[in-house]
Amino acid sequence: AQSVTQPDIHITVSEGASLELRCNYSYGATPYLFWYVQSPGQGLQLLLKYFSGDTLVQGIKGFEAEFKRSQSSFNLRKPSVHWSDAAEYFCAVGAGDFGNEKLTFGTGTRLTIIP
Amino acid sequence: GAVVSQHPSRVICKSGTSVKIECRSLDFQATTMFWYRQFPKQSLMLMATSNEGSKATYEQGVEKDKFLINHASLTLSTLTVTSAHPEDSSFYICSARVPYGLEGSDTQYFGPGTRLTVL
Repeated sequence: AQSVTQPDIHITVSEGASLELRCNYSYGATPYLFWYVQSPGQGLQLLLKYFSGDTLVQGIKGFEAEFKRSQSSFNLRKPSVHWSDAAEYFCAVGAGDFGNEKLTFGTGTRLTIIP
Repeated sequence: GAVVSQHPSRVICKSGTSVKIECRSLDFQATTMFWYRQFPKQSLMLMATSNEGSKATYEQGVEKDKFLINHASLTLSTLTVTSAHPEDSSFYICSARVPYGLEGSDTQYFGPGTRLTVL
């Protein structure tokens, strides 16, 4: 069975600083990997996804993630955070033919931005 | 595009009553919808997969008689929590997927969630 680990429950970053959120996965085949962001009162929004090909994936809002098979990791990065990036971030691995059937989520990382 | 809504956003009910939560895909037809449950400070747990016109597939440990799912149309799935008890209090989130072959079918689009509190 697939699983996702997000080791950091809460991260605090200064506005303008760089950000890296960690994600490690366990999956028997080639994984379909996703990063979602959850803001209060809003649904989960897809930031980016990896299915195959280039291991560095670009997403929305200036986020990127790098798939490293040898480390079973899919870390999310942003070079300069904005106050509006404060939210809960979830990494997920998908099963099924197209990776969008059973999504298994990590426990999330809450991001706080300080001025 | 690919907007999913849920109604209501919050509901409070008495123990023993039933509550229905609606999930709608507003600008696309969703042959498959998913229902998740999220406990405070925890991850989302998939409860069931709902396919239009057929019975839902429940994950192990989810009581199908307690959490009734109906996917009667391509834009609407409902989750009914029957005989709700305080331990059913949680945040329920649905998602929908664009039919295979269409743009966006490799992604689940999520609703804003419904906060259920059972007194």
